[in-house]
Amino acid sequence: QKEVEQDPGPLSVPEGAIVSLNCTYSNSAFQYFMWYRQYSRKGPELLMYTYSSGNKEDGRFTAQVDKSSKYISLFIRDSQPSDSATYLCAMSASTGGFKTIFGAGTRLFVKA
Amino acid sequence: EADIYQTPRYLVIGTGKKITLECSQTMGHDKMYWYQQDPGMELHLIHYSYGVNSTEKGDLSSESTVSRIRTEHFPLTLESARPSHTSQYLCASSEGRNTIYFGEGSWLTVV
Repeated sequence: QKEVEQDPGPLSVPEGAIVSLNCTYSNSAFQYFMWYRQYSRKGPELLMYTYSSGNKEDGRFTAQVDKSSKYISLFIRDSQPSDSATYLCAMSASTGGFKTIFGAGTRLFVKA
Repeated sequence: EADIYQTPRYLVIGTGKKITLECSQTMGHDKMYWYQQDPGMELHLIHYSYGVNSTEKGDLSSESTVSRIRTEHFPLTLESARPSHTSQYLCASSEGRNTIYFGEGSWLTVV
């Protein structure tokens, strides 16, 4: 079993929809949670970073962490065609080195 | 915004050639990484470095080698390229555990 599980999709939504992207994990030591956006043939770009549990909002993006359920989410409001990309979750622990574990990524298509 | 640069962006070379993928960052980060990613597939860590003169192999076995002589520079070398090395190579750096910054990637095709 992988430490981080992420549905690869693809997820297709109409423009303006609310998108929910999710990851589950098994390592309770994870405390740092990140979301990256990766456009085709580009490197991943850091979107959101959250420490421990709770919510964080940045414009149209909201990241949620539920450590009790080992579940993290990224919500995109008023989705735009320019949001079409692969979204990767990532997480790391505060002990045991600096290793960051990435999810496999979810491909999102926002149709105009 | 991340300041991490990779060259070349695209490279097509013949089997058996030696290649070096360059990576430089201007953020002064101690930690640097090389990931390999096939199209539509997961990221795989192949090398990382804690700092100057420190290099370690990652999770995915790779025939490539790296060096870290200067903080800002982390080149990756393939002594004899093979078609199986065709992939995207992503260089990254970080200061802490939470914010890894990636370069644009180097697309390598070995024919």
